[in-house]
Amino acid sequence: QSALTQPRSVSGSPGQSITISCTGTISDVDTFNYVSWYQQLPGKAPKLMIYDVTKRPSGVPDRFSGSKSGNTASLTISGLQAEDEADYYCCSYTGSPFVFGTGTKVTVL
Amino acid sequence: QVQLQESGPGLVKPSETLSLTCTVSGGSITNFYWNWIRQSPGKGLEWIAYIFYTGSTNYNPSLKSRVTISLDTSRNQFSLKLSSVTAADTAVYFCARRGGRRSGGFDIWGQGTMVSVSS
Repeated sequence: QSALTQPRSVSGSPGQSITISCTGTISDVDTFNYVSWYQQLPGKAPKLMIYDVTKRPSGVPDRFSGSKSGNTASLTISGLQAEDEADYYCCSYTGSPFVFGTGTKVTVL
Repeated sequence: QVQLQESGPGLVKPSETLSLTCTVSGGSITNFYWNWIRQSPGKGLEWIAYIFYTGSTNYNPSLKSRVTISLDTSRNQFSLKLSSVTAADTAVYFCARRGGRRSGGFDIWGQGTMVSVSS
């Protein structure tokens, strides 16, 4: 059960849009529509941002959106803000049952 | 609102058993999946195990031989035991709630507790 692959880092200027990819396999992302995304600020617990590929929990800004194509899920942050600077992790149901991504550091320039 | 709080020793000796408890406050333990997730220093997240309020469990295959998760509904607590620990088990351990076995996400997390394995 290998970790899902994410880019190590992604950066953007305030107001721009960025996309974080999360690549899995036929055993996880490709087969199941149960991908979730988490934001982790330094020294804090992760926070659920997206679940079931596209759904947003109440209280999460609509600047955050999720999608999936084949074995790759994506998190898009539109209108990037300084407070979005954090680590982001994807997670997929696999039947084993869960695997997380390697994590992506988002830097706001 | 529902809150989770981990508790347990911050230091465990190699080969011994790590024991942690998560206390659920502000809500019922019923109808949810209760999880343990860890994060090694500077590394990513690793799901360890879950227990459903009925007592049904599931474990990460890579840790299954060493892990036991249990539930005490009378105290609104669930616990983790990890045996034969090594330095590789040094991590921040989080407890987290999940609404569905497959769907949903880990929507509520404890603050995490650091556990170091050292003699």
